[in-house]
Parts: sequence; C-alpha cells; structure tokens
Amino acid sequence: KNEVEQSPQNLTAQEGEFITINCSYSVGISALHWLQQHPGGGIVSLFMLSSGKKKHGRLIATINIQEKHSSLHITASHPRDSAVYICAVRSPRGGADGLTFGKGTHLIIQP
Amino acid sequence: NAGVMQNPRHLVRRRGQEARLRCSPMKGHSHVYWYRQLPEEGLKFMVYLQKENIIDESGMPKERFSAEFPKEGPSILRIQQVVRGDSAAYFCASSGQREAEQYFGPGTRLTVT
Repeated sequence: KNEVEQSPQNLTAQEGEFITINCSYSVGISALHWLQQHPGGGIVSLFMLSSGKKKHGRLIATINIQEKHSSLHITASHPRDSAVYICAVRSPRGGADGLTFGKGTHLIIQP
Repeated sequence: NAGVMQNPRHLVRRRGQEARLRCSPMKGHSHVYWYRQLPEEGLKFMVYLQKENIIDESGMPKERFSAEFPKEGPSILRIQQVVRGDSAAYFCASSGQREAEQYFGPGTRLTVT
C-alpha cells in the first residue's frame, strides 16, 4: 500500500511569495496528480504527471521518479490561491485502480 | 461542454433511511470512480466502475454500500440504512480511459441526523 506524505500541512504566506508544497510516496507509481480544493468546494485537477515537469500559468509541478518525490510551486502567489492542495498517486498497471491521497496542504495567502 | 455532474449537492437523511447519490461523467467518459472524504480526513477510494461493470470495489464498506453504472444513465452510489458515521462528502470522478486523468465532480455532502 502506498503511503503519501505531504509537507507542510499548513502554510501561510504573503501575497507575491513563491510557494512550494512537497509530496513523497513510498511505492512506485504510474502517475501523480495535484488537486486543488477550496473550503466546502469541489476538487479541481491541476496536473497529472508521470515524469519531468509541467507548467500552467503560475503553477509548476515537478516529479522525480527515482526519489519518489514531487513538488508543486506557485509563483507570484495571490489570495485567490488560498485552498487545500492535495497530492494523489496511482499504482502501476495491474495495481489498485483508485487514487491514494495525501492529507493535503492548507495554504493561506494573505494580502 | 459540461464537466462531471453530481446530484444532489447536499443531502440530509435520518438514521436508517437510504441515500442515493448520482454521478454523470463527462461526455465521452465511460470510467467512473467514487471517493469519500470524511470530516477532517483525507479522500479515500471507494469503487471503480465502467459501463455495466464494477471493476474494483476494494474501498467499499462490506455492508450497506453498493454502486452501479448502468448502460444508460448516471452512476449511482447507494447507501442503505444510513448511520451518522456515513456523513461525509462523496466525490465522483470520470476518465476517458482506465489510466487517464480523472476529472472530479462538485461532490455530494451527505448529512445523517
């Protein structure tokens, strides 16, 4: 069973700061997802990664398969980025079908 | 170009009643996943279905919970004889292929009184 750990659990930063959220997992995977959830809200898929790096707007996600580690970066953070960011992994082909989730990082960006 | 739709968004049931949660996947998607988020806990996988088939139900509680995805219509997660511990947010996600990116619905928040 894959263990997914995120750090930090909580993060408060000032508007404009560069944000990094980390995710590590214990067993090999086929893909890693970064998700965003606003309080009481739905879940938005930000990225799905299996290698390397992806960028979308001010968001950048990287993954190091050998080290079993991924990071989500937010550049020029804004109060609207305040949300819970969740890392989720998918087992390799033939393994479990559903995603295994980290507990999330609660991010607050203060104006 | 609707995304994943879930209804109802909020559902209140008394203990012992039945809860039916519906999920309509994105257009063209035939793979549906159900996840549960208990208060103050992370998301947990429940069941994975393709049209008319349950592929993986390893995360489903053994009793009172069932899921289906008929040839026509939405996927249904059914909880019989609900108890207070079933109060949670239930999310479904859909994908176009088995290992493709999953797109999440807005969730159904079930409250058992």
